[in-house]
Amino acid sequence: AQTVTQSQPEMSVQEAETVTLSCTYDTSESDYYLFWYKQPPSRQMILVIRQEAYKQQNATENRFSVNFQKAAKSFSLKISDSQLGDAAMYFCATRQGGADGLTFGKGTHLIIQP
Amino acid sequence: GAVVSQHPSWVICKSGTSVKIECRSLDFQATTMFWYRQFPKQSLMLMATSNEGSKATYEQGVEKDKFLINHASLTLSTLTVTSAHPEDSSFYICSATGQGHQPQHFGDGTRLSIL
Repeated sequence: AQTVTQSQPEMSVQEAETVTLSCTYDTSESDYYLFWYKQPPSRQMILVIRQEAYKQQNATENRFSVNFQKAAKSFSLKISDSQLGDAAMYFCATRQGGADGLTFGKGTHLIIQP
Repeated sequence: GAVVSQHPSWVICKSGTSVKIECRSLDFQATTMFWYRQFPKQSLMLMATSNEGSKATYEQGVEKDKFLINHASLTLSTLTVTSAHPEDSSFYICSATGQGHQPQHFGDGTRLSIL
């Protein structure tokens, strides 16, 4: 079984600054995928970034990047130049194979202060 | 990008009735669809996985007779909450994926309220 732990229920950051959301996971599989999803108040699930476990290079999507530490089973999300629109719940998730469901962490509520 | 449509977005019904929620992939063939449940201020929990033409695989603790899942085509999966009770009130979200290691695409969710 896979587990995902997000130890920060809530984070607050000033607009234009950088914030890092932490995530650790546990899996017995060698081949798996990691994701960060954003859920705004509309409750729509928006994929922010994904990382294949076999890739050593950290994924980057514009202002969003990850720090993937495979040995430590850590997958943190860094948001640079925070914007008001980044305010949302952020969920870290893992998936084993392509046909497997996602296992989510409990989420981090990100607040952007103007 | 890939689009998944979920309907209805909000439903209110009386206790004891059955409610059907549809999940459609609009522009790709969804070989696998997933159903999640999210209680207020909590995370998403996987309920079941359905493959087109096969019986759904339910997660531990999910009653298969309560939550009926049908995935009869490559573009449509349905979740029927049978004899719904207030404790079934929740936010239900589907996702769909194609063959291979494709990302999951989520529907917009259904808010179910049982009175």
